[in-house]
Amino acid sequence: QQPVQSPQAVILREGEDAVINCSSSKALYSVHWYRQKHGEAPVFLMILLKGGEQKGHDKISASFNEKKQQSSLYLTASQLSYSGTYFCGTEYGMDSSYKLIFGSGTRLLVRP
Amino acid sequence: SQTIHQWPATLVQPVGSPLSLECTVEGTSNPNLYWYRQAAGRGLQLLFYSVGIGQISSEVPQNLSASRPQDRQFILSSKKLLLSDSGFYLCAWRLSVGSGEAFFGQGTRLTVV
Repeated sequence: QQPVQSPQAVILREGEDAVINCSSSKALYSVHWYRQKHGEAPVFLMILLKGGEQKGHDKISASFNEKKQQSSLYLTASQLSYSGTYFCGTEYGMDSSYKLIFGSGTRLLVRP
Repeated sequence: SQTIHQWPATLVQPVGSPLSLECTVEGTSNPNLYWYRQAAGRGLQLLFYSVGIGQISSEVPQNLSASRPQDRQFILSSKKLLLSDSGFYLCAWRLSVGSGEAFFGQGTRLTVV
């Protein structure tokens, strides 16, 4: 049930763009995105519900492709503060909507 | 406003000793509560979740257990710790309705020696 994230790690120069993918073999009800700094708790970025919506948060946006059961997180014009580990969390339907299952994470390092 | 408290922040325990980690939420009622574990450099593994007092669902069979004695209190326990229990333990809560975001506590870094 654990979603699969790719890539496992990304190194960027400040100002470059990145895409992080999250895919599931089961039908998704919602996808959450979080960012975790080293040694800290994960911080919420955004939620996407099934319906193929796209959301944006400053220069970070995400899409949800219901047909492919896949979500992508887009980081545009990356800043040093974007460094951290990004996790997608998935729910598989209202009957199991209490569970939030996370992927293994994508480590992002933004260099000056 | 809602807050989540988790303690202790760090813990060093010998193999075979018991464990009790506590998490409490303030400012909301009947939250869904979660325990996650994160091994060094790894992802967030869901251990237990609870939708109400006394209602615990286990995701991974192991020597850990969880209890919810009060509406906003979630406890993670072990009778005998193993070396493999080392990790970063995170408690989280969500509203009981809708697909809302999860709010995480600051975590407990457990080292079993």
